[in-house]
Amino acid sequence: AQSVTQLDSQVPVFEEAPVELRCNYSSSVSVYLFWYVQYPNQGLQLLLKYLSGSTLVKGINGFEAEFNKSQTSFHLRKPSVHISDTAEYFCAVRGRFGGGYNKLIFGAGTRLAVHP
Amino acid sequence: NAGVTQTPKFRVLKTGQSMTLLCAQDMNHEYMYWYRQDPGMGLRLIHYSVGEGTTAKGEVPDGYNVSRLKKQNFLLGLESAAPSQTSVYFCASSRDGSLSSYEQYFGPGTRLTVT
Repeated sequence: AQSVTQLDSQVPVFEEAPVELRCNYSSSVSVYLFWYVQYPNQGLQLLLKYLSGSTLVKGINGFEAEFNKSQTSFHLRKPSVHISDTAEYFCAVRGRFGGGYNKLIFGAGTRLAVHP
Repeated sequence: NAGVTQTPKFRVLKTGQSMTLLCAQDMNHEYMYWYRQDPGMGLRLIHYSVGEGTTAKGEVPDGYNVSRLKKQNFLLGLESAAPSQTSVYFCASSRDGSLSSYEQYFGPGTRLTVT
């Protein structure tokens, strides 16, 4: 079975400071990982994804994440955050439906609050 | 190109009432999904569809029904609403199930309150 744990429910940070949002996963199948962002009163949108290849994945808006197989982690980082990065961030892992179709299993989310 | 749209945006129901949430996508995607989002629980899959005319249960299907009569539309029905169904509902779609292109596109959500 697959599952995702986001270790922090809320992360407050000052503008222009670095930030790391932590995600750990478990998976019994090949690992594919995703980060989605949800801005206030909006739906989710994809930030970045890891399917294979380089373990350092770059996404939109200056975010990046590193896949660490030995630590079963996929932490999201940004070296300098802006007020506009205030949002909820969801880590997700690929799962499988019974018929073999792919699906996403989401973590509980981390609320990033950027303060001036 | 509107992407994924949801109707309505907000709704208040009394216990026992019924309603249908409509999701529409204009990207010709095969797969569509309905999630509910509750504080501290992330997104949980209610039902999904891998093509026109097909539907299947997700993690939390009880109390909901779905239909996908047209490829672009995915309807979520609540036959007899309960306060436990107070939530934000998101519809999503993906082009297909292949990993190389796997990305889900989300609608803006429907905030439902059941009193």
